[in-house]
Amino acid sequence: GAVVSQHPSWVICKSGTSVKIECRSLDFQATTMFWYRQFPKQSLMLMATSNEGSKATYEQGVEKDKFLINHASLTLSTLTVTSAHPEDSSFYICSAREPGRAPSEQYFGPGTRLTVT
Amino acid sequence: AQSVTQLDSHVSVSEGTPVLLRCNYSSSYSPSLFWYVQHPNKGLQLLLKYTSAATLVKGINGFEAEFKKSETSFHLTKPSAHMSDAAEYFCVVTNLITGGGNKLTFGTGTQLKVEL
Repeated sequence: GAVVSQHPSWVICKSGTSVKIECRSLDFQATTMFWYRQFPKQSLMLMATSNEGSKATYEQGVEKDKFLINHASLTLSTLTVTSAHPEDSSFYICSAREPGRAPSEQYFGPGTRLTVT
Repeated sequence: AQSVTQLDSHVSVSEGTPVLLRCNYSSSYSPSLFWYVQHPNKGLQLLLKYTSAATLVKGINGFEAEFKKSETSFHLTKPSAHMSDAAEYFCVVTNLITGGGNKLTFGTGTQLKVEL
């Protein structure tokens, strides 16, 4: 089946610094990728939807200047958390969808645990 | 608006006994419903999906779920649990949102523990 990877799997950074998380589709081309955030004991919340070659669409309440998303190729999307603060500590999960698939058919990455100290 | 409620945050069963993970949904439109499983350090994997066809849906690894509109439920079941079933399970709902495509709404998850 289709595989999506994320790198790094976990990262610790200091408050005020920026951190980049990569999401790759390993054996398929993904025209659309999604970024989710998961707090402990809570459900996944969609942050943004990115389409290759165009600007990401952010969900209400998500700061686009803080969570920079780039989807420059059909196999790679990146999420950069800028000027990170402890409240940004969370589990970030990406997913990817193949061209022609139903909008709800997404393949998920294993997630990245971000801790801001 | 749409939402799902997973009624149990933790479920513990003995190996070989039935599994029941409960999910209730709320949706303004005809929903599509899914169950995903997440093993440690692995991506979420689709177990099964309901998209307005047969109300009893069979998935992978012996799991199945029944869509009951009158009860707004989509409970996940398996006749006999296996140790490898221990994982986090998410109930998910979506429907067609005008101009926005399908958006997945996740439940809070149920941690399944399988004991010898």
